[in-house]
Amino acid sequence: LAKTTQPISMDSYEGQEVNITCSHNNIATNDYITWYQQFPSQGPRFIIQGYKTKVTNEVASLFIPADRKSSTLSLPRVSLSDTAVYYCLVGEENTPLVFGKGTRLSVIA
Amino acid sequence: NAGVMQNPRHLVRRRGQEARLRCSPMKGHSHVYWYRQLPEEGLKFMVYLQKENIIDESGMPKERFSAEFPKEGPSILRIQQVVRGDSAAYFCASSELGWDRINTEAFFGQGTRLTVV
Repeated sequence: LAKTTQPISMDSYEGQEVNITCSHNNIATNDYITWYQQFPSQGPRFIIQGYKTKVTNEVASLFIPADRKSSTLSLPRVSLSDTAVYYCLVGEENTPLVFGKGTRLSVIA
Repeated sequence: NAGVMQNPRHLVRRRGQEARLRCSPMKGHSHVYWYRQLPEEGLKFMVYLQKENIIDESGMPKERFSAEFPKEGPSILRIQQVVRGDSAAYFCASSELGWDRINTEAFFGQGTRLTVV
């Protein structure tokens, strides 16, 4: 089971770009990398998913190096409403999504 | 298309009572997953169901907990004889495709917060 490691917490000021890196050294060939966001008292929400290189959507970008042993979620110009816990998951066939403790991002005015 | 609906949002039970948590998946989704989250912790997988079938219940405690997803109606997570340690947020997620498709996106509900007093 591919395990992920990410920082427990991060602080950022409004307007800055935030990069959260996740390590997944044992990622398997067929695994996808997925990031979820969770606000207090709410369920997780899918942000972005990728397999390799770079993926971008209206919310974030995901950078995955060639060896795929890590990935970086990039949030451009964060606002106070981006304060949340961000989970990095590595998906395997026929196994449930495994959530670690995530990274608690605090955005400061 | 309404999202995943869970009810109740908050549930208080006395020790020894039964708790029933309901989850209506998104329209068109036949795969349902239940997770439990303790304060300041990540989500822990409990059970995966696909219409009338339990696919994986490896995360579910062997006693007092059961889950079903009938042909008609919501998925139900049932906890019998609740104890204080059952107090947690319980989240349900649904997906259109099963987890044999590894890039399947799961949509989560807002959760049910169970408090056992």
